[in-house]
Amino acid sequence: GDQVEQSPSALSLHEGTGSALRCNFTTTMRAVQWFQQNSRGSLINLFYLASGTKENGRLKSTFNSKESYSTLHIRDAQLEDSGTYFCAAEAKDNNNAPRFGAGTKLSVKP
Amino acid sequence: AQTIHQWPVAEIKAVGSPLSLGCTIKGKSSPNLYWYWQATGGTLQQLFYSITVGQVESVVQLNLSASRPKDDQFILSTEKLLLSHSGFYLCAWSPGGDTQYFGPGTRLLVL
Repeated sequence: GDQVEQSPSALSLHEGTGSALRCNFTTTMRAVQWFQQNSRGSLINLFYLASGTKENGRLKSTFNSKESYSTLHIRDAQLEDSGTYFCAAEAKDNNNAPRFGAGTKLSVKP
Repeated sequence: AQTIHQWPVAEIKAVGSPLSLGCTIKGKSSPNLYWYWQATGGTLQQLFYSITVGQVESVVQLNLSASRPKDDQFILSTEKLLLSHSGFYLCAWSPGGDTQYFGPGTRLLVL
């Protein structure tokens, strides 16, 4: 089965609001990375975490290896935050080939 | 600063024709290099990775091959394209098996 379960699949936010994306893992992961894919298809690296929490501007991400999940919090959403967000996790027992979630399509509206 | 380039930007190819996609990284010596494929509307899947020049490991078999002829160059190719090869191909690099940075990608349509 899928090792990375990402939710929600789609999310609509009004400017200035916030929400959280989540990835649950069915196996032990050693690290997780979060990306934003824009309309051109470019993947922008947001965070890389081996554990704990990182924050950058309006974004914050947490990775809990023991409880097998990671979250990405977006606050004060802006129009340019629209896009598809992916988590990618590296299992401890593979060759570091990250497994990507199915993505969350975020639409930020005025 | 490191930069990553991919070429071509987009291709329309016929089934059965050959394909060669390129990726170069500037500003970083001996990077780890990766090829990913993304089906339209789908998620990403790693195809190949390379830790050093001349060595490439296959992750997923999709009737594609990859080579690393130079330290800063990664090539994805096939002699005969299939319809299922359509999608978005992304090259990525990492300084050493952790954070990966992606190139702009190549869109491929096989008809």
